[in-house]
Amino acid sequence: DTGVSQDPRHKITKRGQNVTFRCDPISEHNRLYWYRQTLGQGPEFLTYFQNEAQLEKSRLLSDRFSAERPKGSFSTLEIQRTEQGDSAMYLCASSSRLAGRSYEQYFGPGTRLTVT
Amino acid sequence: GNSVTQMEGPVTLSEEAFLTINCTYTATGYPSLFWYVQYPGEGLQLLLKATKADDKGSNKGFEATYRKETTSFHLEKGSVQVSDSAVYFCALSDLNTDKLIFGTGTRLQVFP
Repeated sequence: DTGVSQDPRHKITKRGQNVTFRCDPISEHNRLYWYRQTLGQGPEFLTYFQNEAQLEKSRLLSDRFSAERPKGSFSTLEIQRTEQGDSAMYLCASSSRLAGRSYEQYFGPGTRLTVT
Repeated sequence: GNSVTQMEGPVTLSEEAFLTINCTYTATGYPSLFWYVQYPGEGLQLLLKATKADDKGSNKGFEATYRKETTSFHLEKGSVQVSDSAVYFCALSDLNTDKLIFGTGTRLQVFP
């Protein structure tokens, strides 16, 4: 397995444009998480999926943000009408939760978004 | 709510010095605790973890002990190397969702 992958690695966009990021988790992992990391800060939780169900969304996730995991495999995170404050590193992580036991999260390399 | 506080950096050390990075947490119940490391230009990597009180996590010469009585999970290494230069994040996992709550990170700089 090649680990968690994210695409694109870098995205520069103009304010007001829509952007979409993709995350491919480790294949047998049923949980997928999105985090956002700004410069000098730790990652902050945005949302997570168990299989295809989105189970929690942070208050950080305004109505301009939407995430999907249509077949319980890859996930997309879309930001509509981007703002300069959306500039950050968007991290995806995956893990397994089986029979009530949780396993550690593995992170992808991130997508760095710059809104000009 | 749950939170993690870790010492501010940068921490600057000479090679072979002893390292301590402090981390304390606030949580309901007994979450799992983690240290992640982010090397320059790379993604987050799990360094070590502990899942219950008095557990000691260890990896690559780093250690941290889950201290329930002081709600702490301090990271230590007896002899740092230049290659340990990175940003270190302490984190806890929510008991229900497993989402990670991170501290702000501590940058470690090791000079020869």
